[in-house]
Amino acid sequence: DSGVTQTPKHLITATGQRVTLRCSPRSGDLSVYWYQQSLDQGLQFLIQYYNGEERAKGNILERFSAQQFPDLHSELNLSSLELGDSALYFCASSGGRSRAITGELFFGEGSRLTVL
Amino acid sequence: AQKITQTQPGMFVQEKEAVTLDCTYDTSDPSYGLFWYKQPSSGEMIFLIYQGSYDQQNATEGRYSLNFQKARKSANLVISASQLGDSAMYFCAMREPSGSARQLTFGSGTQLTVLP
Repeated sequence: DSGVTQTPKHLITATGQRVTLRCSPRSGDLSVYWYQQSLDQGLQFLIQYYNGEERAKGNILERFSAQQFPDLHSELNLSSLELGDSALYFCASSGGRSRAITGELFFGEGSRLTVL
Repeated sequence: AQKITQTQPGMFVQEKEAVTLDCTYDTSDPSYGLFWYKQPSSGEMIFLIYQGSYDQQNATEGRYSLNFQKARKSANLVISASQLGDSAMYFCAMREPSGSARQLTFGSGTQLTVLP
């Protein structure tokens, strides 16, 4: 158990809809990262937050947005969903109890999104 | 540009034998970190091992070791005494110091199958 909690684990929705994925980082971790894993694109970095502020942006579509709240949990909002958005969405955290020199990311179990 | 390259989409190994999973990377920064993660069929991402660019010795963690050849920009994962439970997808990843961002860039992965 990594200590990172993601909900929901599975989500099935239709094209054009909007969903919100939620992540609670490990206790003490200030950084939250969102990754998308699809069959054709592999693991793609979407966005990072550190203590409530956006720190880095990767290949995140304009239809997607995220935020980190004062209690450090984070939400990833996906709107106007398309078939190609079907993927496993990971949240990861770091910065707390992980060794400062390595800074490995601790991943949640992912949220599997299926867009029909 | 591809920063992390894993050229073996799939690998087979006999139980109890050793196996090497290849990873090459590309960076012009002298300071970087290299990681290996394991993703079993259940989907979670499990951190295995870390190598810093300035580390003098190859990293080891139990049955996992990292064959770090800096001049060749390779960071191969060696798994000794393979077990059936080692069957999984393995990802190599790199972190470059990019301001304060500490996200990881992942390779495309190698699917390892351990045969009884």
